[in-house]
Amino acid sequence: AQTVTQSQPEMSVQEAETVTLSCTYDTSESDYYLFWYKQPPSRQMILVIRQEAYKQQNATENRFSVNFQKAAKSFSLKISDSQLGDAAMYFCALTSGTYKYIFGTGTRLKVLA
Amino acid sequence: ETGVTQSPTHLIKTRGQQVTLRCSSQSGHNTVSWYQQALGQGPQFIFQYYREEENGRGNFPPRFSGLQFPNYSSELNVNALELDDSALYLCASSLASWGEQFFGPGTRLTVL
Repeated sequence: AQTVTQSQPEMSVQEAETVTLSCTYDTSESDYYLFWYKQPPSRQMILVIRQEAYKQQNATENRFSVNFQKAAKSFSLKISDSQLGDAAMYFCALTSGTYKYIFGTGTRLKVLA
Repeated sequence: ETGVTQSPTHLIKTRGQQVTLRCSSQSGHNTVSWYQQALGQGPQFIFQYYREEENGRGNFPPRFSGLQFPNYSSELNVNALELDDSALYLCASSLASWGEQFFGPGTRLTVL
């Protein structure tokens, strides 16, 4: 069975500071994709960043980057220069060549002015 | 390019009733997935439709059923509603069964 675990229910960060959200996963597949999605209070889920398992290089999208540790099955999200608009629920998700996305339970990020 | 839309936004039903939720996929997307998101939880996969056929199903009972139409829009039907069905129902469309998913804003279902 595939699982995704987010062990931080809530995190806080000061505006302009850096925060890291943790995610661990388990899969027996060799080929899979990992994602971080953001769900603001308005509810619409937005893709933040994706990582292909076969790529060793960590994905980066502007202020968002990941630390992908394949052997440890760890996929953390780093948000640099945090902004008030970054406040949201963040979900880590896994898919491995089937139809199914497995989501974690989410981390609520609060950004303090 | 039109994004994923869902209707209605909110819905209140009573236990035992039936409900239909609707989703219009993003232009060009032939795959639609449905998720149930209980309060404070991550989305749980219900099923996926690819080119009008069910392509996979999560651990949901048969009273959760769906359809996909030739224009790739989709419906989620839930029969014999239970209190635990109260949740946010999310629809996501993609170009392929495991492609990047684009989510709609969701339908908030409350069962009394």
